[in-house]
Amino acid sequence: DVKVTQSSRYLVKRTGEKVFLECVQDMDHENMFWYRQDPGLGLRLIYFSYDVKMKEKGDIPEGYSVSREKKERFSLILESASTNQTSMYLCASRLGTGGRNQPQHFGDGTRLSIL
Amino acid sequence: GENVEQHPSTLSVQEGDSAVIKCTYSDSASNYFPWYKQELGKGPQLIIDIRSNVGEKKDQRIAVTLNKTAKHFSLHITETQPEDSAVYFCAASGGAGTALIFGKGTTLSVSS
Repeated sequence: DVKVTQSSRYLVKRTGEKVFLECVQDMDHENMFWYRQDPGLGLRLIYFSYDVKMKEKGDIPEGYSVSREKKERFSLILESASTNQTSMYLCASRLGTGGRNQPQHFGDGTRLSIL
Repeated sequence: GENVEQHPSTLSVQEGDSAVIKCTYSDSASNYFPWYKQELGKGPQLIIDIRSNVGEKKDQRIAVTLNKTAKHFSLHITETQPEDSAVYFCAASGGAGTALIFGKGTTLSVSS
C-alpha cells in the first residue's frame, strides 16, 4: 500500500513566522502535490512537482513556495504566515505517468492554524 | 484551465436507497476522472476511477458513468449503508502529467 506521511496532524503558528510542512512518500513516486482544503471550496492545488528539483505552480501559489531535494520528500513553505493561510493542507503523490494518468494518493492532512 | 463543477453539495438518503452525485468538466482534453471519499479526520481515498475511452465502470455497489460529449460524469452508490456517509470529491485531469482538478465536494449522509 502507498503511504504518504505528513509530519504534523495539527500545527499552530504565529503571523509572520516561516512555516514548513513536510510530506514523505514511500513508493518511489515521481510526482508530488500540495493542496489546501477549505469548507465549500474543495481541494485547491498550490504547487506540484514532477520530479526531484522540479516544481510547477498550481492555482493558488501566492504566499507559498516548495522544495523537492529528494524524491521521497516534498516540503511546502509559508514564507511569512498570514491568518488567511489557516487551512487543512493535503499532500499527495503519484507514479510518473509515462503517458497515462495514474491515481493520486493522499496523506491525512495537516491542520494549520495561524494566530 | 480545467474547471470541475459538482452537485449537489449535500445529499441525505435513507439506508438502502441509491445516491447519485454529478460532475461536469470544462476541458475537452481531460481523460481521467477519479472519485475520492473523505472520512472525518482522514485524507481523500480513491474509490473508483474511469478513463475517457470507457463509458461506465462498476465495482460492487459503486459505479461511475462518463458522457464525453456532454462533458459530465456521475457516481452512483446503490444500497447505501451508514458507513457510506462521508464527503465525496470528483476530479478531472487532462493530458499525461497534469494535476487533478477537484470539484467542491458532496457531503453524503446515510441515515438508518
